[in-house]
Amino acid sequence: QQQVKQSPQSLIVQKGGIPIINCAYENTAFDYFPWYQQFPGKGPALLIAIRPDVSEKKEGRFTISFNKSAKQFSLHIMDSQPGDSATYFCAANRGATNKLIFGTGTLLAVQP
Amino acid sequence: GAGVSQSPSNKVTEKGKDVELRCDPISGHTALYWYRQRLGQGLEFLIYFQGNSAPDKSGLPSDRFSAERTGESVSTLTIQRTQQEDSAVYLCASSFSGGSPYEQYFGPGTRLTVT
Repeated sequence: QQQVKQSPQSLIVQKGGIPIINCAYENTAFDYFPWYQQFPGKGPALLIAIRPDVSEKKEGRFTISFNKSAKQFSLHIMDSQPGDSATYFCAANRGATNKLIFGTGTLLAVQP
Repeated sequence: GAGVSQSPSNKVTEKGKDVELRCDPISGHTALYWYRQRLGQGLEFLIYFQGNSAPDKSGLPSDRFSAERTGESVSTLTIQRTQQEDSAVYLCASSFSGGSPYEQYFGPGTRLTVT
């Protein structure tokens, strides 16, 4: 049973645009929500993460918005650049375990 | 410093053969994870090692899959009698238990193709 649902599956934006990727979870025991960025042929790399006691977190051009009541969180990329073109995965983790539960990924293309 | 390394980077094998995949974690990282990534899908947890504790094998899809880790170093994932549905990228990650256990550092993966 998929516990983290991610959308959209793919996304195309123009340079400077603000792509938004959404994730929804079911398990209220999850207490940590990271986003990973993956380039072709590479392993995923941690981009930014948030805990449910915070509604928003910014790191550079990347922002996570978190809605605990709706059990949803999203990634926004400000002033997107062609170098941001990659696959983005949301994930969730429950403190008592170390198993990351991943979404299915979003393939982002930022056109020049 | 060196990141997580995996070998081989690509492996093509015939159905029914056994394969062994290797992972070298970041030095000093006590936790090690294996994930499977099928084409166009997210990562699927397979197994987790933490120090000398018994591994969490709850994600292994069948008894054809097994993994070992020597101390806090190298790990090998073995798939016996490979099937075509085993074709995927197998990713290894490690983390430092003294920090956030969620900050997992991934290797580049081994792409397994079963023909």
